[in-house]
Amino acid sequence: TQLLEQSPQFLSIQEGENLTVYCNSSSVFSSLQWYRQEPGEGPVLLVTVVTGGEVKKLKRLTFQFGDARKDSSLHITAAQPGDTGLYLCAGPRTGNTGKLIFGQGTTLQVKP
Amino acid sequence: DSGVTQTPKHLITATGQRVTLRCSPRSGDLSVYWYQQSLDQGLQFLIQYYNGEERAKGNILERFSAQQFPDLHSELNLSSLELGDSALYFCASSVSIGEQFFGPGTRLTVL
Repeated sequence: TQLLEQSPQFLSIQEGENLTVYCNSSSVFSSLQWYRQEPGEGPVLLVTVVTGGEVKKLKRLTFQFGDARKDSSLHITAAQPGDTGLYLCAGPRTGNTGKLIFGQGTTLQVKP
Repeated sequence: DSGVTQTPKHLITATGQRVTLRCSPRSGDLSVYWYQQSLDQGLQFLIQYYNGEERAKGNILERFSAQQFPDLHSELNLSSLELGDSALYFCASSVSIGEQFFGPGTRLTVL
């Protein structure tokens, strides 16, 4: 069974601090996606990583795909209150359905 | 704006009733996915349609059903509603395996 485990589950930090969220699996994924969700709204796709070792940057957010394509990390530099939300990693289940497996999410609170 | 639309935004109904949630995918996307998100649980995959045909099923109750129409919009039908069905229901669409784009959701409240 393919599973994605995220850590930490909850993170409360002060504005300006750095943080890293991890997404781990014992299975290989063809790609991994990161989403951010705000309360009552739909998840918003932030990035897709496809190649082992790939690093993508989105302003202050840096995403990395592990060399073996079993894990990924999201690093936020100088967090802002606007970064507050639920961060979800997801990856396609093996097969051709396109069904995504989601991690349980990391709730981030950035205090001003 | 993801390009995925869902209606209605909010729905309040009573136990035992039946409701229909509607989703229009992004232009060109053939796959539609339905998810349920309760307060104490993460995103639970319900069902997927691809170009009008059911492609994958998740933890969907027998009281729930869905379909995708020739114009690719999809409807999720929830019947014999129970209090525990209160949740956010999301629709997502995709053109390729991996990336899904989510709609704004329908918040269902069963009283």
